[in-house]
Amino acid sequence: EDKVVQSPLSLVVHEGDTVTLNCSYEVTNFRSLLWYKQEKKAPTFLFMLTSSGIEKKSGRLSSILDKKELFSILNITATQTGDSAIYLCAVEQIQGAQKLVFGQGTRLTINP
Amino acid sequence: DVKVTQSSRYLVKRTGEKVFLECVQDMDHENMFWYRQDPGLGLRLIYFSYDVKMKEKGDIPEGYSVSREKKERFSLILESASTNQTSMYLCASSSHNYGYTFGSGTRLTVV
Repeated sequence: EDKVVQSPLSLVVHEGDTVTLNCSYEVTNFRSLLWYKQEKKAPTFLFMLTSSGIEKKSGRLSSILDKKELFSILNITATQTGDSAIYLCAVEQIQGAQKLVFGQGTRLTINP
Repeated sequence: DVKVTQSSRYLVKRTGEKVFLECVQDMDHENMFWYRQDPGLGLRLIYFSYDVKMKEKGDIPEGYSVSREKKERFSLILESASTNQTSMYLCASSSHNYGYTFGSGTRLTVV
């Protein structure tokens, strides 16, 4: 059975801290791994990773994929209260309809 | 700007009612999806469609059906709503060139 597991499920830190969110997967026909940020409504796209070892960066956020060990991490440095959200990891499978298999999500809370 | 529009943000229905959740996308995407999101379980795929009138079951199709009569519209139907279908429902569309776009979600409460 295809599976994506995120950890921790919940994390509370202080503003300015650095956090690392984890995502491991066991999915057949892997095409890519995606990270999304979800605040009150629709998940918004952060990163798509297809190759091992290549870090993707966007401001204070970065992510990397390890296809041998089947996991990815999302790092957020110098956290701000606006980073509070649910972070979703999903794996896209190689098949006609671009199905995504999602993890449970990590609820991140940044306290001032 | 790609848009996926879900007709209602909040919905309250009674047990046993037939419920329609509507989703419309304006980017001519081939693929459309319905997920439900529950705390601690993440997003789980209910049904998806890769073309007009084509549909496939996802991981949790029981108690749901779908309709895709036009390319831009994908409807989720709860034939007889039950309290365990209280959830956040997210629609998404995708194309191979563009990737995924989500709607804002419908929070359904069945009482």
